[in-house]
Amino acid sequence: DTAVSQTPKYLVTQMGNDKSIKCEQNLGHDTMYWYKQDSKKFLKIMFSYNNKELIINETVPNRFSPKSPDKAHLNLHINSLELGDSAVYFCASRKSGGGRNEQFFGPGTRLTVL
Amino acid sequence: SQQGEEDPQALSIQEGENATMNCSYKTSINNLQWYRQNSGRGLVHLILIRSNEREKHSGRLRVTLDTSKKSSSLLITASRAADTASYFCATDATGGAQKLVFGQGTRLTINP
Repeated sequence: DTAVSQTPKYLVTQMGNDKSIKCEQNLGHDTMYWYKQDSKKFLKIMFSYNNKELIINETVPNRFSPKSPDKAHLNLHINSLELGDSAVYFCASRKSGGGRNEQFFGPGTRLTVL
Repeated sequence: SQQGEEDPQALSIQEGENATMNCSYKTSINNLQWYRQNSGRGLVHLILIRSNEREKHSGRLRVTLDTSKKSSSLLITASRAADTASYFCATDATGGAQKLVFGQGTRLTINP
């Protein structure tokens, strides 16, 4: 099936650990995003890559480091995890150009930091 | 900074009734989009309205846009239990940033 997929779906870890979340899309899109959704359901953009190039980097602690090995993949590595990092992280993708900005979202990764 | 703000934050209606959700934003936009999020799932795109459009329909959805008031509304007619979800507006601002700014959503509950 064509989709945006994320792994893992759930991630429970201790404070101070380092963890990664992976995202893959097979929609042929050239732009990918990471969003963070907090406990109040507020969804905030973190990063965006276009053709493997970082184009959006919101005010995010440098403990968060995205990596895009190719147009279909965007991973998120988080160092020294803190309690406040607990949230649901969503990957999304879109095809740039054409005057639209419709984004396709993955199912989310629920990160719990203990 | 948060741009879109939905109103109300929560809405509970009976099946068959119409549901109206509102969204306000602060800057100039290229388009405004509405997304639905079912519990524990990712967001799904519902409808997009461009800045030069005033109204758009898709099935049971009707979206309006008033750029002078910087506001939009989403109307779901003849609601169904399956419409229970959170609904988010998202603005694509002018300036080429290529990003969407989401509101905090309206939690819609359809009671059977």
